Amino acid sequence: DAGVIQSPRHEVTEMGQEVTLRCKPISGHNSLFWYRQTMMRGLELLIYFNNNVPIDDSGMPEDRFSAKMPNASFSTLKIQPSEPRDSAVYFCASSLDSGSFVGTDTQYFGPGTRLTVL
Amino acid sequence: AQSVTQLDSQVPVFEEAPVELRCNYSSSVSVYLFWYVQYPNQGLQLLLKYLSGSTLVKGINGFEAEFNKSQTSFHLRKPSVHISDTAEYFCAVTKDSSYKLIFGSGTRLLVRP
Repeated sequence: DAGVIQSPRHEVTEMGQEVTLRCKPISGHNSLFWYRQTMMRGLELLIYFNNNVPIDDSGMPEDRFSAKMPNASFSTLKIQPSEPRDSAVYFCASSLDSGSFVGTDTQYFGPGTRLTVL
Repeated sequence: AQSVTQLDSQVPVFEEAPVELRCNYSSSVSVYLFWYVQYPNQGLQLLLKYLSGSTLVKGINGFEAEFNKSQTSFHLRKPSVHISDTAEYFCAVTKDSSYKLIFGSGTRLLVRP
């Protein structure tokens, strides 16, 4: 399997522009996670999908951030409008959920998208 | 609230020397514990995890970790490191044993020849 695929790997944009990050989870996995990694705050969970349904979006910073999962093989994280403080590495991860929402299932991470907002 | 403390931000060590990366967590309930490794410009990869049972957990690449409930620790060890082990290592705990991983701040392991 190719693993979790993210695109683009690098994104440089100007403040105020819309940014869309994409993720393809591992085939057969039914849980998908979006994380953000910054020097100041470390790794933070932004949103969690199970069977394409958002289960927990409490980590989404504000309304400028939105995430969708239209089908089992694709998810997007959108920032509109983007701001310099959104600069970070964004990771997507997927797992095969056992169905009980417990943390025993291994999460497989993609290579990340490094976002720079000027 | 649960938290994870990695006491060392960077650990320099010579090749073939042993290493221990420290991790302490705070929790009043049972937890699941994980160690992930992040190589430069890559995503995180699971090294090992503790769910239950034996407190000594063996993972990939020769790493192992020991769960110590009384000291709320989950230190990562390797008896002999290689240059290729140079990476960032993250300890993580699940919040209330749910899907939500709480990560430590990371420890950068720098292996020198």
